[in-house]
Amino acid sequence: DQQVKQNSPSLSVQEGRISILNCDYTNSMFDYFLWYKKYPAEGPTFLISISSIKDKNEDGRFTVFLNKSAKHLSLHIVPSQPGDSAVYFCAATYGGSQGNLIFGKGTKLSVKP
Amino acid sequence: DAGITQSPRHKVTETGTPVTLRCHQTENHRYMYWYRQDPGHGLRLIHYSYGVKDTDKGEVSDGYSVSRSKTEDFLLTLESATSSQTSVYFCATAPSTDTQYFGPGTRLTVL
Repeated sequence: DQQVKQNSPSLSVQEGRISILNCDYTNSMFDYFLWYKKYPAEGPTFLISISSIKDKNEDGRFTVFLNKSAKHLSLHIVPSQPGDSAVYFCAATYGGSQGNLIFGKGTKLSVKP
Repeated sequence: DAGITQSPRHKVTETGTPVTLRCHQTENHRYMYWYRQDPGHGLRLIHYSYGVKDTDKGEVSDGYSVSRSKTEDFLLTLESATSSQTSVYFCATAPSTDTQYFGPGTRLTVL
């Protein structure tokens, strides 16, 4: 039973436009959410996170939105750049889990020049 | 970012042989984790440690054991490797129970 779902395996966007990556979760205990970016043959790199007490967190070109009632979060990248092409993983955790992250399967983003 | 190294980076071994992967960190982070990444599965937690000699199982712990005798080192052992353990293994560390920082990974092939 997947607790964190990324239903789009891939996404293609034109350079300069907005990229929107989506993530759904089923466990209402999750209270902290993270996005990681992964290039081939490298480890995942932390991108941005959000606590369940917030509905938005912004860091430069990256913004994460959290809709707790819908159990949905999204990552917006504006403007998208070719260097953003990577696999993006959504992850979730909750207090008392010793920080154990539950990952989605990832979305491969391709940003075309 | 967190000064995390993994060794070896690549390994090919045969079914039934023991294998040990090492994760080394220089950030004095309390928490350490081992994940595996397989196509169609994302990253799945194998084992984790919340302090020296304090470890616990994750989602896919069968066939794996771990040890942490020093803050900086977290070892993952496959007692008798099987082909289903062919995967990419990632170590992660964290100063607290939120953001984790990942190592570069070890690609393990079991023939």
